[in-house]
Amino acid sequence: EDKVVQSPLSLVVHEGDTVTLNCSYEVTNFRSLLWYKQEKKAPTFLFMLTSSGIEKKSGRLSSILDKKELFSILNITATQTGDSAVYLCALRTVNNDMRFGAGTRLTVKP
Amino acid sequence: DAGITQSPRHKVTETGTPVTLRCHQTENHRYMYWYRQDPGHGLRLIHYSYGVKDTDKGEVSDGYSVSRSKTEDFLLTLESATSSQTSVYFCAISLSIVTDNEQFFGPGTRLTVL
Repeated sequence: EDKVVQSPLSLVVHEGDTVTLNCSYEVTNFRSLLWYKQEKKAPTFLFMLTSSGIEKKSGRLSSILDKKELFSILNITATQTGDSAVYLCALRTVNNDMRFGAGTRLTVKP
Repeated sequence: DAGITQSPRHKVTETGTPVTLRCHQTENHRYMYWYRQDPGHGLRLIHYSYGVKDTDKGEVSDGYSVSRSKTEDFLLTLESATSSQTSVYFCAISLSIVTDNEQFFGPGTRLTVL
């Protein structure tokens, strides 16, 4: 069964800290890996990764995919309270099915 | 924001009653999805559609059916609601699978089955 596992499940940091969120998977063949941020409502898109070793960056957020070791990480530097959210990792399979991890709940304290 | 709306936004119903949730998009995207989100499970795909009258089952399709008679509307039906179907339901759309595209999510429907 295709499986996506995120760790840690929850994380509490202080403003200014750097965090690394992990997403490991057991899907053998997939089209892309996506990261989403979910606050109180619907998930919003952050990154889509298709190639191994190429970092995607947007402001303080960055992400990279390692297809050999079957994982992706999402880094957030200089965290702010507005980064508090659940971060979701998902795989789009070759059949266009989507498999989501359970998410990492990040809390950034002032 | 992508033009996706869901209706109703909140619904309380009783076990055994039929329920239909509607997802409407104004983006003319070909692909539409229904997910449910529950604590500890993240988002799980129920059904998806890759065009009018073309649908397929997702990970947790039992107890649900869908219909797509128009590009802009994707309906999710619970034929006989059960308490285990209490959840938040999200609709999503994507443009293509020929080139990779992210999914855009609707605002969600909170369904409570008593």
